[in-house]
Amino acid sequence: DQQVKQNSPSLSVQEGRISILNCDYTNSMFDYFLWYKKYPAEGPTFLISISSIKDKNEDGRFTVFLNKSAKHLSLHIVPSQPGDSAVYFCAVLPDSGNTPLVFGKGTRLSVIA
Amino acid sequence: GAGVSQSPSNKVTEKGKDVELRCDPISGHTALYWYRQRLGQGLEFLIYFQGNSAPDKSGLPSDRFSAERTGESVSTLTIQRTQQEDSAVYLCASSLVEVQKLFFGSGTQLSVL
Repeated sequence: DQQVKQNSPSLSVQEGRISILNCDYTNSMFDYFLWYKKYPAEGPTFLISISSIKDKNEDGRFTVFLNKSAKHLSLHIVPSQPGDSAVYFCAVLPDSGNTPLVFGKGTRLSVIA
Repeated sequence: GAGVSQSPSNKVTEKGKDVELRCDPISGHTALYWYRQRLGQGLEFLIYFQGNSAPDKSGLPSDRFSAERTGESVSTLTIQRTQQEDSAVYLCASSLVEVQKLFFGSGTQLSVL
């Protein structure tokens, strides 16, 4: 039973436009939410995170939104650049202790020049 | 090096053989994780080491899988009697204090023929 769902396996966006990647989760008790980015033949790298007590966190071109009532997380990239083309994984931290991150299946973003 | 190092980067083996995958975490990182990613799937947690505590083995898919860690250093993941369904990218990650910010290695691509 998937705790974290990324229902879009792929997304294609034109350079300069906004990319919106979505993630749904099942448990309202999740404490922390993260996005990781993965290029081919490399390990995932941390991108941005948000605590369950917030609804928005911004870092440059990247903004993460958290809608707790809908159990929905989204990542906005604006403006999108060709170098943003990668697989993006949504992840949740089940509690504040030392428990492992639970990852979604990922969404492959292609930014077209 | 400064990052998480994994070896080998690629491993092709025959069904039924044993394989050993190695991970060198970032120096000083007390936590070490193994994940795997099968084709078209998300990151699947396997095992987690934190300092001198007993490892969290809850993600190991069968008793053919085991892992060891020497102190707060190198870890090896061993798969005995490999099966075709073991084919995946095996990713190692380490973290310092903030468990959510994992630093991943580039992974070992395991192919079981």
